Amino acid sequence: DTAVSQTPKYLVTQMGNDKSIKCEQNLGHDTMYWYKQDSKKFLKIMFSYNNKELIINETVPNRFSPKSPDKAHLNLHINSLELGDSAVYFCASAKAGNYEQYFGPGTRLTVT
Amino acid sequence: AQSVSQHNHHVILSEAASLELGCNYSYGGTVNLFWYVQYPGQHLQLLLKYFSGDPLVKGIKGFEAEFIKSKFSFNLRKPSVQWSDTAEYFCAFSNTGNQFYFGTGTSLTVIP
Repeated sequence: DTAVSQTPKYLVTQMGNDKSIKCEQNLGHDTMYWYKQDSKKFLKIMFSYNNKELIINETVPNRFSPKSPDKAHLNLHINSLELGDSAVYFCASAKAGNYEQYFGPGTRLTVT
Repeated sequence: AQSVSQHNHHVILSEAASLELGCNYSYGGTVNLFWYVQYPGQHLQLLLKYFSGDPLVKGIKGFEAEFIKSKFSFNLRKPSVQWSDTAEYFCAFSNTGNQFYFGTGTSLTVIP
């Protein structure tokens, strides 16, 4: 059973398009996250979210928006994709904000 | 500012060599500490964690880390590395404010 799943695994799209990446966790965790990992493997937190609070990294462009239909899902929607958005995006979840995070398999986004 | 420093960006070792990866964090309060590993093409997996108690913690695959509070350090060690340990290693901490911080990662290459 996959604890944290993401779809799609690969996403190739053109500049200017709008796309979404889905994330689901079946661990019963309260907090979910989105990270962007660039080609140098640097992990940048984009959002953290629990059922009470959304925390946005202020450096994330507002073209990126998280959407949480319920506690087990945190989807990432990206408007007007740019070349620089190409990266691997990881979803993660944790029991609470200071506990270990469990990561999804990642979505490799390529913008052409 | 709160942050994690990993001093070794890229480490190359021969099989059976001993490993120590440095990690220092910047935060004055209580922390939980983590090491994650990312094998090529895969997602991050938890290697080990420290919440409280014995500052020497043992993780999976023969890894261990020692929390030295006075030095704000949490170095990762393994007495004898294997080729399969080739991966990216990330140190991280969380604080009582439920904030999570990752280091920039250390790339380990083990030569057979």
